[in-house]
Amino acid sequence: AQSVTQPDIHITVSEGASLELRCNYSYGATPYLFWYVQSPGQGLQLLLKYFSGDTLVQGIKGFEAEFKRSQSSFNLRKPSVHWSDAAEYFCAVGADAGNMLTFGGGTRLMVKP
Amino acid sequence: DTAVSQTPKYLVTQMGNDKSIKCEQNLGHDTMYWYKQDSKKFLKIMFSYNNKELIINETVPNRFSPKSPDKAHLNLHINSLELGDSAVYFCASTQGRAGNTIYFGEGSWLTVV
Repeated sequence: AQSVTQPDIHITVSEGASLELRCNYSYGATPYLFWYVQSPGQGLQLLLKYFSGDTLVQGIKGFEAEFKRSQSSFNLRKPSVHWSDAAEYFCAVGADAGNMLTFGGGTRLMVKP
Repeated sequence: DTAVSQTPKYLVTQMGNDKSIKCEQNLGHDTMYWYKQDSKKFLKIMFSYNNKELIINETVPNRFSPKSPDKAHLNLHINSLELGDSAVYFCASTQGRAGNTIYFGEGSWLTVV
């Protein structure tokens, strides 16, 4: 069975600073990997996904993520964080059967002015 | 137009009551899901339907019964509500092939008192 670990429950960064959110997965085959963002009181919005091909994936809102098979990781990065990026971020792995997503526990990002 | 819409957004009800949450998607997708987000923000799949057929049923109490009258709708009925059912319930949909983006609704906040 697949699993996802997001080691950091909370992260605080200053506005304008760079950001990296960690994600490690466990899955027996080639994974489909996703990052979603959830703003307070809102649903989940897809930031980006890795399906195949180029291991550096560009997403919306200036985010990118890099798939590293050797490290079983799919870390999310942004070079300069904006106050509006404060939210909960979820990494997920998709399974072939039923295209079901297994989520990590989430990382709450806080942005200091 | 909202792609995946669910109603109600907020629901406060007493223990023992029966309630339903409705979900509709206008994306033409063939696969729909219900996910549960608990108080610790952990997201877990409950059910998945493909072309109105149940394909994933995780370990969920029998009090939860999904119903899909057509491909565009997946409703969740909950009998004999318990305090532990308090959570955010997300409906989602996709075109059912592994790796395709799964689109989420804005969530239904259920509080059982």
